[in-house]
Amino acid sequence: GAGVSQSPSNKVTEKGKDVELRCDPISGHTALYWYRQSLGQGLEFLIYFQGNSAPDKSGLPSDRFSAERTGESVSTLTIQRTQQEDSAVYLCASSLTGGLGADTQYFGPGTRLTVL
Amino acid sequence: DQQVKQNSPSLSVQEGRISILNCDYTNSMFDYFLWYKKYPAEGPTFLISISSIKDKNEDGRFTVFLNKSAKHLSLHIVPSQPGDSAVYFCAASDRDDKIIFGKGTRLHILP
Repeated sequence: GAGVSQSPSNKVTEKGKDVELRCDPISGHTALYWYRQSLGQGLEFLIYFQGNSAPDKSGLPSDRFSAERTGESVSTLTIQRTQQEDSAVYLCASSLTGGLGADTQYFGPGTRLTVL
Repeated sequence: DQQVKQNSPSLSVQEGRISILNCDYTNSMFDYFLWYKKYPAEGPTFLISISSIKDKNEDGRFTVFLNKSAKHLSLHIVPSQPGDSAVYFCAASDRDDKIIFGKGTRLHILP
């Protein structure tokens, strides 16, 4: 069956430009997560959507980062005025019911963002 | 301050032997622990998890052990196979469901 998909797979942008990253979760999954993995770093939690509840934005590194989710479907992560330190692989995951401790997360392949 | 620490960036193990990946944490509020496996150019895949009320969980070749008093968990893979070569991430979640990852350990299975 279809897994989590992300687009684009690679994005190269100039410093100061805005970028949008897209995630299509598995159909029927109510929970959606964004993470990033910077070079030499572990996975870093960014934001978590669960159904119609207000998202948990506590992991967003600055106010240049924002994310939206339409209902229980596609999500976009937007980075405004990109900086070189934003270069990373951005991963999206979805799970059936949320509750990170109890539900398996399925990850997409990631978007590799390079800020020149 | 890292709340989840994987102090070995890499580990090499002979095929057929046991691989032991270690993870330490500092937050006593963590109540669930997970291990993920990641191949290059792919997203992480869930491997095995353990609740804080248990001290062992086994799934095939994979066993996770939790020592709450030491705030330490480990992943045992036995016997190790070539396809196990990957980066392994330890992760922990608290009652707010925020998940914290370690930096990962790269496992090399030697022929």
